Amino acid sequence: TQLLEQSPQFLSIQEGENLTVYCNSSSVFSSLQWYRQEPGEGPVLLVTVVTGGEVKKLKRLTFQFGDARKDSSLHITAAQPGDTGLYLCAGAEDKVIFGPGTSLSVIP
Amino acid sequence: DTGVSQNPRHKITKRGQNVTFRCDPISEHNRLYWYRQTLGQGPEFLTYFQNEAQLEKSRLLSDRFSAERPKGSFSTLEIQRTEQGDSAMYLCASSLGPFREQYFGPGTRLTVT
Repeated sequence: TQLLEQSPQFLSIQEGENLTVYCNSSSVFSSLQWYRQEPGEGPVLLVTVVTGGEVKKLKRLTFQFGDARKDSSLHITAAQPGDTGLYLCAGAEDKVIFGPGTSLSVIP
Repeated sequence: DTGVSQNPRHKITKRGQNVTFRCDPISEHNRLYWYRQTLGQGPEFLTYFQNEAQLEKSRLLSDRFSAERPKGSFSTLEIQRTEQGDSAMYLCASSLGPFREQYFGPGTRLTVT
């Protein structure tokens, strides 16, 4: 069974701070995805990483894929209240397997 | 096309009743997925379709759950004899094919009393 773990489970920070959330997999997926989900809505894909060691940037968000393709991190610079939400990592094969998520709250 | 839609958005039912949810995917997408999400957890895979064919069903899905996609377009998810443990958000997603980006609907929140 392929499992994904995320840490921390909850994170509450002040606006302007930096943060990093982590995702670890028990096995290698074809690709790893990061989603953001707001309350009452479905997840929205932020990025897909495929190659070990890959780094992708999306404005203030930096995604890194571990060399062994079993771990990933999401770093947010100068967090804003609009970044508040549930951040999910997911392993993508023929279907998508989600981790439990990191709930981020950015306080103005 | 405005994306994946799900109906109803909310459903409250009494234990033992049957419920049916509908998902309308993005029109050209041939893959359709159902997930279940409880508070504080990530979505849990339930089943998926390639056109009208149901290709996989999670072992976690009991026999009370059934899904159909009769014409390869919209899909329905039925839960028979609902239990309080069925209370969750039921999410639908669609994609152009395997390994392609999945687009999620807003979900149907089920509350079983």
